[in-house]
Amino acid sequence: QLQLQESGPGLVKPSETLSLTCSVSGDSINNNNYLWGWVRQSPGKGLEWIGTVYYNGNTYYNPSLKSRVTVSADMSKNQFSLKLNSVTAADTAVYSCTRLNHYGAGSVCFDTWGQGTLVAVSS
Amino acid sequence: SFELTQPPSVSVSPGQTARITCSGDALPKQYAYWYQQKAGQAPVLVIYKDTERPSGIPERFSGSSSGTTVTLTISGVQAEDEADYYCQTADGTFIVEFGGGTKLTVL
Repeated sequence: QLQLQESGPGLVKPSETLSLTCSVSGDSINNNNYLWGWVRQSPGKGLEWIGTVYYNGNTYYNPSLKSRVTVSADMSKNQFSLKLNSVTAADTAVYSCTRLNHYGAGSVCFDTWGQGTLVAVSS
Repeated sequence: SFELTQPPSVSVSPGQTARITCSGDALPKQYAYWYQQKAGQAPVLVIYKDTERPSGIPERFSGSSSGTTVTLTISGVQAEDEADYYCQTADGTFIVEFGGGTKLTVL
């Protein structure tokens, strides 16, 4: 059974870099059947896609966050990571790692989610 | 960017039919997906490729598409269906967009 587990600091200072890791069990991230990505949800708000990585290293980012985001994969550890730099209070959110299924023509959906981890940005 | 528009809230009585719409210019060309998010829980995919239902999702959940609008229909709504529902699509280059979400209240 596929399981995704986020890990990382729950508190980050303004202007610093938020770093999270997603550990995957029950599937290998090193295959072309799926993509792997991050979604966040600010308190009381909706879902916001952050970015996605494919087994071949290709990455895709939300245009509104692209200048601050890096998503990468470590095949040897079966993990993928998120780095968001220059954070502000507006980046306070629950961050979830996900598996994405693709249906051709660049269409993807999120078929499995981690439980999510709350990251607060505060001094 | 491309936008998806959902009504903020929908209310229905138990046993009735709930319809949640999602509108966007990309929808005639791209598949839509629907997620259910109950309070304090991770989202769950309930409809994929406009009309398909994943295994384990009750038959009362269905999806339809017409032009720039897709609709999630929940027939015979139950109290356990009270949740936030999000539509989602992609632009053909793996760039993803979510709708703003609809809060379904079961009266």
